[in-house]
Amino acid sequence: DVKVTQSSRYLVKRTGEKVFLECVQDMDHENMFWYRQDPGLGLRLIYFSYDVKMKEKGDIPEGYSVSREKKERFSLILESASTNQTSMYLCASSTGGSNTIYFGEGSWLTVV
Amino acid sequence: DQQVKQNSPSLSVQEGRISILNCDYTNSMFDYFLWYKKYPAEGPTFLISISSIKDKNEDGRFTVFLNKSAKHLSLHIVPSQPGDSAVYFCAAGSFTWARQLTFGSGTQLTVLP
Repeated sequence: DVKVTQSSRYLVKRTGEKVFLECVQDMDHENMFWYRQDPGLGLRLIYFSYDVKMKEKGDIPEGYSVSREKKERFSLILESASTNQTSMYLCASSTGGSNTIYFGEGSWLTVV
Repeated sequence: DQQVKQNSPSLSVQEGRISILNCDYTNSMFDYFLWYKKYPAEGPTFLISISSIKDKNEDGRFTVFLNKSAKHLSLHIVPSQPGDSAVYFCAAGSFTWARQLTFGSGTQLTVLP
């Protein structure tokens, strides 16, 4: 089974803090993604990566950055957290030739 | 501009009856479609997919229908069970254009016992 692990399930951070969300997959997948889920808006793509040290902006990259130093790990960084970044964040991965992506359990972030 | 739309935020059906969830898309470049199921506080799980060369794909109680001319797909669940109560997301992608998926806003399905 594909395993995508998000290390932090629930976080509470203060406005202006730097926040790191970590994601690890164990299936040697080339592609990794960060989405956020908000009520009524579905899943929106923040950033994705097709290879180590490679990143592409998704639909809503503002206020976020990412890092992919190793194939299995994809980190989402909020440089200066704001209250409108309170959301559920979902990491996902897929193989190079597949359109089926596999999600982690999600990380609930509350910014106060 | 929403390229994938699920116009019904919620749907309630009786246990044992059919559930039909609908999804529309606007981008003709999409050639691969998926449905995901999501329980509260969990990540979405892949349910079923269909490529544009087909108009139907079945997996047990779940069937996805694709109408390319109408840019419409639907998920049928027969018979519906209380454990099917979840949010269902429609997603679309392209084998050749881009590997990321575009998701709809989701439909909350409630199956009543």
